[in-house]
Amino acid sequence: GQNIDQPTEMTATEGAIVQINCTYQTSGFNGLFWYQQHAGEAPTFLSYNVLDGLEEKGRFSSFLSRSKGYSYLLLKELQMKDSASYLCATASGGSYIPTFGRGTSLIVHP
Amino acid sequence: DGGITQSPKYLFRKEGQNVTLSCEQNLNHDAMYWYRQDPGQGLRLIYYSQIVNDFQKGDIAEGYSVSREKKESFPLTVTSAQKNPTAFYLCASSTVAGDTDTQYFGPGTRLTVL
Repeated sequence: GQNIDQPTEMTATEGAIVQINCTYQTSGFNGLFWYQQHAGEAPTFLSYNVLDGLEEKGRFSSFLSRSKGYSYLLLKELQMKDSASYLCATASGGSYIPTFGRGTSLIVHP
Repeated sequence: DGGITQSPKYLFRKEGQNVTLSCEQNLNHDAMYWYRQDPGQGLRLIYYSQIVNDFQKGDIAEGYSVSREKKESFPLTVTSAQKNPTAFYLCASSTVAGDTDTQYFGPGTRLTVL
């Protein structure tokens, strides 16, 4: 199986930077996904990392270290609309179907 | 516009009744998936299908059934054998599983069993 661990909840201030960490244990790693999910809505894709390093997409960046079983999602210039749950998911063992962590609820306040 | 639709958004059923949740996609994706989401839990895979007329059990298939008669459609039946059916159900699709393609999710159906 795959064990994915991420903080349950985080709070941050509008305009600030926040880093959401995700650690995982898996064999046959095939990549790590980050999704954003607003309450009661569908998850939307943010990023996919399969190689070590940082991938930047506008205000959002995702980092992966395969040797450490570690990833983080970095959100810059936080906006109120960034308040959502952020889901870390990994694919492994010959499958590309992601297994999801419990998600991190991010609350952005003024 | 291409996308995934799920209907209805909210569904109420009495205990002991089977209920079927609809999922349709016009993205021409080969693979489709059903997940269940409970408060404080991650998404858990119920069933998936990589091709028409074929599907595989996920991690929590007991009490559920699916069919894949058309590429565009992947309905999920929640049977009376499912012990805790009240949950948020999400359907997703992607290009052929076995690639690293992204899953695209539908808006979800919130099922409440009374």
